[in-house]
Amino acid sequence: DGGITQSPKYLFRKEGQNVTLSCEQNLNHDAMYWYRQDPGQGLRLIYYSQIVNDFQKGDIAEGYSVSREKKESFPLTVTSAQKNPTAFYLCASRKRGGPGETQYFGPGTRLLVL
Amino acid sequence: SQQGEEDPQALSIQEGENATMNCSYKTSINNLQWYRQNSGRGLVHLILIRSNEREKHSGRLRVTLDTSKKSSSLLITASRAADTASYFCATTYGGSQGNLIFGKGTKLSVKP
Repeated sequence: DGGITQSPKYLFRKEGQNVTLSCEQNLNHDAMYWYRQDPGQGLRLIYYSQIVNDFQKGDIAEGYSVSREKKESFPLTVTSAQKNPTAFYLCASRKRGGPGETQYFGPGTRLLVL
Repeated sequence: SQQGEEDPQALSIQEGENATMNCSYKTSINNLQWYRQNSGRGLVHLILIRSNEREKHSGRLRVTLDTSKKSSSLLITASRAADTASYFCATTYGGSQGNLIFGKGTKLSVKP
């Protein structure tokens, strides 16, 4: 059963705390992405990785960090430097091999601040 | 930065009617894709149209692309209550490394 999984579904963060959102895919895709979605808005790119051990900043990387040690996994850490972290976070993956192939999305993690 | 702008922001129709959503973008593109998002869920790919194509069909979906006007439209025919969702257009262009640039979406409500 192939796809992308994200966990947890809901995450609560206390002030000053770092939290990590998990994203795993078994589609054998090379590229993976993290997006942030605020209410009534489109998706904004936080970080992306085209290949293992390499990643690039997106449009809103400040206050976030990522790693890509394995092809299947692309965890996102929301650091204490991110002052407004409440949002819906979506992970996606894409098979490389040409521009603009379909991205496959996980179910999302909703991050709330206590 | 958001390249696409969908219009209208919200659309409410009766079951059986057609729904048309529009997307405008700013720079020349490689292709344009439409995605659907049910409330609180991830996005699902619907259809991709390349810059050298003008129209594409998939089931009850019809997408058109006018590169001279930098715009696209998504038509859903004979809508159903289950079509209720937000619909996003997303573009790729020469310098985007395959990254998608999303619009803000159209929220479609289909009343039974």
